[in-house]
Formats: sequence, C-alpha cells, structure tokens
Amino acid sequence: GAVVSQHPSRVICKSGTSVKIECRSLDFQATTMFWYRQFPKQSLMLMATSNEGSKATYEQGVEKDKFLINHASLTLSTLTVTSAHPEDSSFYICSARDRTARETQYFGPGTRLLVL
Amino acid sequence: QKEVEQNSGPLSVPEGAIASLNCTYSDRGSQSFFWYRQYSGKSPELIMSIYSNGDKEDGRFTAQLNKASQYVSLLIRDSQPSDSATYLCAGYSSASKIIFGSGTRLSIRP
Repeated sequence: GAVVSQHPSRVICKSGTSVKIECRSLDFQATTMFWYRQFPKQSLMLMATSNEGSKATYEQGVEKDKFLINHASLTLSTLTVTSAHPEDSSFYICSARDRTARETQYFGPGTRLLVL
Repeated sequence: QKEVEQNSGPLSVPEGAIASLNCTYSDRGSQSFFWYRQYSGKSPELIMSIYSNGDKEDGRFTAQLNKASQYVSLLIRDSQPSDSATYLCAGYSSASKIIFGSGTRLSIRP
C-alpha cells in the first residue's frame, strides 16, 4: 500500500511552546490530508481537513488558531500546536487521500505528544 | 444515529476460529468501504477495501458488502493471536468524506 510518513514520531515539550508535526505522502500526490487526535482507549477524532493550496477545514470545537495547518504542496501537510498545554498531550495521526485509488486514505504512523 | 456504526466489543474468539466483524452505515450514497486494523498504541492500517456488492477475499480476510441492507462485514478465518486489535470500519460518504466507525475490539484467545 501507499506510504505516509510523519515526523517526529514522539515529542516532549514544555507548556507554552509550539510543536510542528509534518505529514508526507511518499509515493502519491495528496490534495487532501486529514489530521486526527486520539486519546488512550478512545476513538479517532477528526480535527481538520487539509486542502492543498487553500485553508484547512476544522471540525466543530477545534480551535483553528491553536492548531495551525499548512498544506503547501501535494505531498506535505504540517500541523503546528501553538502554545501547547498538558491537555494537548495526545496521539496525533495524519492521513492522506489517494484520489487515484478510489479515495483510499492511508495513515501515517502517528506522533505522540507529551506536554509537561 | 451515527453514520457508521460498529459494536464496540470486545469480541472474543478462540484461536483458529472465524472472527466476524459487522458494520452498518446510514448514507445510501456511500460507494467505497474500508476496513482498518489498529493495534494498541499504533495508527490504523488499511487491510481491505470493497466497492461492489458481494464478497472480496484477500488471504484470511473476506470483506462483504450489501448495499441494499447498508451492511459491511469482515471475516477473519483461522484467527491468530496477532489478529487481536481494534478494527475500524469506514465508508466514503456522499459528502466526500471518509466516516469512521468507533471500532470493534477483537481478542483472539489461545
């Protein structure tokens, strides 16, 4: 299957700092990528849809000024958690949609964020 | 009503038996369906996709789709302990968005 990478895989930061997570589709172009968050033993929660060359679409209850998304190319989307707080600690997972494969979504390996 | 519904489980199946995972969806316009497997602490991994009514087989996995009944299932034959995971059903909705179910936890007991 298609490959989606995420970097970093794990990050620990101090409260108040910003953290940037990168998501790349390695062998296909992705006009649409998605950012999810998952707390332990809970379901995936869609945070936002990232569209190449345009503004991201955020789900209800997700602060767009706190979770900045940039999708500047067909293979790269970034999520920046600004002024992170301990409650932002979670598992962040991106996925990329392959339009040449009947809209199949492939997930990255995830980034575990711990805010101290 | 959730757009994609799954029984949360846990579903416990003896090793070597057939595990049957079920999913229903509400959007009749959905055309594509997917099954993902998620191990604890890992991200979801695509294991099957199905687009037409009927069965689709891939190794020990068989996906079944019945659009009239709005029903998708995944059968795992000869279940192994390594199949223990959460299985997510997903449908590509008419709103151009993939909608995930909340997942079924499957446990294969030796």
